[in-house]
Amino acid sequence: EAEVAQSPRYKITEKSQAVAFWCDPISGHATLYWYRQILGQGPELLVQFQDESVVDDSQLPKDRFSAERLKGVDSTLKIQPAELGDSAMYLCASSLTPEPLRELFFGEGSRLTVL
Amino acid sequence: LAKTTQPISMDSYEGQEVNITCSHNNIATNDYITWYQQFPSQGPRFIIQGYKTKVTNEVASLFIPADRKSSTLSLPRVSLSDTAVYYCLVGDIVRGNTPLVFGKGTRLSVIA
Repeated sequence: EAEVAQSPRYKITEKSQAVAFWCDPISGHATLYWYRQILGQGPELLVQFQDESVVDDSQLPKDRFSAERLKGVDSTLKIQPAELGDSAMYLCASSLTPEPLRELFFGEGSRLTVL
Repeated sequence: LAKTTQPISMDSYEGQEVNITCSHNNIATNDYITWYQQFPSQGPRFIIQGYKTKVTNEVASLFIPADRKSSTLSLPRVSLSDTAVYYCLVGDIVRGNTPLVFGKGTRLSVIA
């Protein structure tokens, strides 16, 4: 069964350092999402791509976060500089469009710890 | 975006039927109701989706009353492996560019 691949699985970094997460969606899925999930909370949408275009990045803290999906396939989420409050699970999801039912397929996530 | 309200947590014994209700009073005409399940240290997993009345699959049933202001996820005969967080989402899935928003979910604990 096809899966959404994410790396790294775990990342520990110090405050003010740069960190990057990579996501490879299921082949053929045009829509890609990055979510952030703080422990005990539900996932929060950071950015949504349709192919290579950003559809929604209203919740992305653009002073330190950036996301790209240059060729409309895999995607990178970057944080620079990292802050203590960025410690969270970063989840990538993809969905097939057009679709009668928009099912999101999530990866296992990248857990970030900022010291 | 329609806001959803769910119980924070629920407990159940193995073998029982569990019903988790989600309120979405301001659901829009084009909105569908979707439920996801999340185990610790994993991404959420799609369970079921519906627009009105009843939907059933091999995992769960979804009951939606005529006014669509609430919905109930029904898990038949739960087992320990059903212990997870369950999220109710409401959104326009036909227009694929609208965001899907997760709330805090319902933490279900199944007890032996």
